[in-house]
Amino acid sequence: AQSVAQPEDQVNVAEGNPLTVKCTYSVSGNPYLFWYVQYPNRGLQFLLKYITGDNLVKGSYGFEAEFNKSQTSFHLKKPSALVSDSALYFCAVRDWGGATNKLIFGTGTLLAVQP
Amino acid sequence: ETGVTQSPTHLIKTRGQQVTLRCSSQSGHNTVSWYQQALGQGPQFIFQYYREEENGRGNFPPRFSGLQFPNYSSELNVNALELDDSALYLCASSSEAEKLFFGSGTQLSVL
Repeated sequence: AQSVAQPEDQVNVAEGNPLTVKCTYSVSGNPYLFWYVQYPNRGLQFLLKYITGDNLVKGSYGFEAEFNKSQTSFHLKKPSALVSDSALYFCAVRDWGGATNKLIFGTGTLLAVQP
Repeated sequence: ETGVTQSPTHLIKTRGQQVTLRCSSQSGHNTVSWYQQALGQGPQFIFQYYREEENGRGNFPPRFSGLQFPNYSSELNVNALELDDSALYLCASSSEAEKLFFGSGTQLSVL
């Protein structure tokens, strides 16, 4: 069965510093991996996805993610954090045994960017 | 804004009652998925509808059911509500596989 793990409940970073939000995955077959962000009282917003190709995927709002097959990781990164990046971040993987939009989400990581 | 709208935004029900949640998908999106997000958890897939047919279901009992209409809007129905059904229910529409556009959700509280 497909799964993702987000080992950190919360990540704290100062504004202007680089940020990393960690995600590891477990899949049978080729992984389709995603990052979504959730702001308070809002639904999830798509940031980026990895399907195949370049291991560095660029997404919305200056975010990028690095796919590492040997470490089964898909960490979200941003070179310079903004206070407005503070939100809940979810890593997800497509469940190949289900419908096309069946994603398995991690438990989320709360990113807090201090001014 | 994603263009996906859900109603109502909040709802309070008592155990044993039935509830209907509604979702209007983004224009041009023919696939709608429903997710349940319990407090402190990631969203869990309930089911998906494509052109008015259910074409995928997660690990939820039959008392969770849905509909999709010709205009691609959708409903989620939950019968015989239980306390554990208290959660944020998210609707997502898409026209491209796996790139989902989520609504802001309906917060359901079961007392």
